Amino acid sequence: EAEVAQSPRYKITEKSQAVAFWCDPISGHATLYWYRQILGQGPELLVQFQDESVVDDSQLPKDRFSAERLKGVDSTLKIQPAELGDSAMYLCASGLRAGGFANTGELFFGEGSRLTVL
Amino acid sequence: QKEVEQNSGPLSVPEGAIASLNCTYSDRGSQSFFWYRQYSGKSPELIMSIYSNGDKEDGRFTAQLNKASQYVSLLIRDSQPSDSATYLCAVALTSGTYKYIFGTGTRLKVLA
Repeated sequence: EAEVAQSPRYKITEKSQAVAFWCDPISGHATLYWYRQILGQGPELLVQFQDESVVDDSQLPKDRFSAERLKGVDSTLKIQPAELGDSAMYLCASGLRAGGFANTGELFFGEGSRLTVL
Repeated sequence: QKEVEQNSGPLSVPEGAIASLNCTYSDRGSQSFFWYRQYSGKSPELIMSIYSNGDKEDGRFTAQLNKASQYVSLLIRDSQPSDSATYLCAVALTSGTYKYIFGTGTRLKVLA
């Protein structure tokens, strides 16, 4: 069964350090999402890609976060410098398509990358 | 006002009872509605989707949608301890750019 791959599963870093997360979506999925989920809360959208283009990054703290999906396949989310408040689970999800369709279908999630900033 | 609202719970029900989970959304342009289940420390997994007004049944799960009231619910019949998890309501809409928004989730506890 096809899966969304994420790495690393766990990352512990000190504040002010740089950290990067990688995501490989299910083959053929055009849309890719990065969500941040703080314990006890729902997933918060950070950035959404349609192929290689950013569709929505309105909630991405651009002074320290960056995301790319250069060839429209896998994606990297970077934080530099990390802050204590960045401790969370970072979830990557992919879907077949977005926009212009009434039935947009489910999102498939990776196992997530849990970040702890000390 | 949050775009997707849920009661955070916990909602406790005895084994075998019906669990009722509710969700309201603010954008009338919302087109698609989903319920995801998330076990502690795991990622969300889809359990139900619904796109038109009315009820949709799948096994022990029934999703209900009322677009006029901007309300979607999930009923779990014959609740089992294994149903204990956080249930996330998600809404997809096209409003300028396409959005897929999650609520904060309702934590369900099924008591054996």
